[in-house]
Amino acid sequence: GESVGLHLPTLSVQEGDNSIINCAYSNSASDYFIWYKQESGKGPQFIIDIRSNMDKRQGQRVTVLLNKTVKHLSLQIAATQPGDSAVYFCAENTGTASKLTFGTGTRLQVTL
Amino acid sequence: NAGVTQTPKFRILKIGQSMTLQCAQDMNHNYMYWYRQDPGMGLKLIYYSVGAGITDKGEVPNGYNVSRSTTEDFPLRLELAAPSQTSVYFCASSYSTGELFFGEGSRLTVL
Repeated sequence: GESVGLHLPTLSVQEGDNSIINCAYSNSASDYFIWYKQESGKGPQFIIDIRSNMDKRQGQRVTVLLNKTVKHLSLQIAATQPGDSAVYFCAENTGTASKLTFGTGTRLQVTL
Repeated sequence: NAGVTQTPKFRILKIGQSMTLQCAQDMNHNYMYWYRQDPGMGLKLIYYSVGAGITDKGEVPNGYNVSRSTTEDFPLRLELAAPSQTSVYFCASSYSTGELFFGEGSRLTVL
């Protein structure tokens, strides 16, 4: 059963619309950021990453924007599909050995 | 490749019991990690390892122990289970300072 994300902020979007999920990170020294997608009952799956020397990176239907001035990260999903419904986490690398610090997550609900 | 394999998937423990969560990866990754995820929360790092024979504490290590005798395996030990350890546990591995690959999780309930 569902054990993750019972009280998470939720973003509802219609199928076909674009989604924007936001994340504020905490450490100005972080140099690497990742977005993960977590479906119910599964482990997090990598979506896209970005290093601190970039401010934008694009993948297939996804774009990550990094604003280091205000310590803000966003994930844009184009033409959102029902299969995009999940909890999305941002994570920052705060040191060596990929010791990622995760945000609390945002639930994306795609309505038909 | 199986990736990261965790066992068991589900377990119920009584207070004070001990158990080991197993984690194995077949990607020859040097770095391995244990995270826990409580309802409505992100993942918190328990322990990590940068290679065989080397382990270090993460954010929430109390009540847990780990060992890394081989590159492939990174078991997590709970010595005296407490209700506060009810959570979903995720093992992950990475080649270096980059993307983490996660297992499917082990759901532990302590009653």
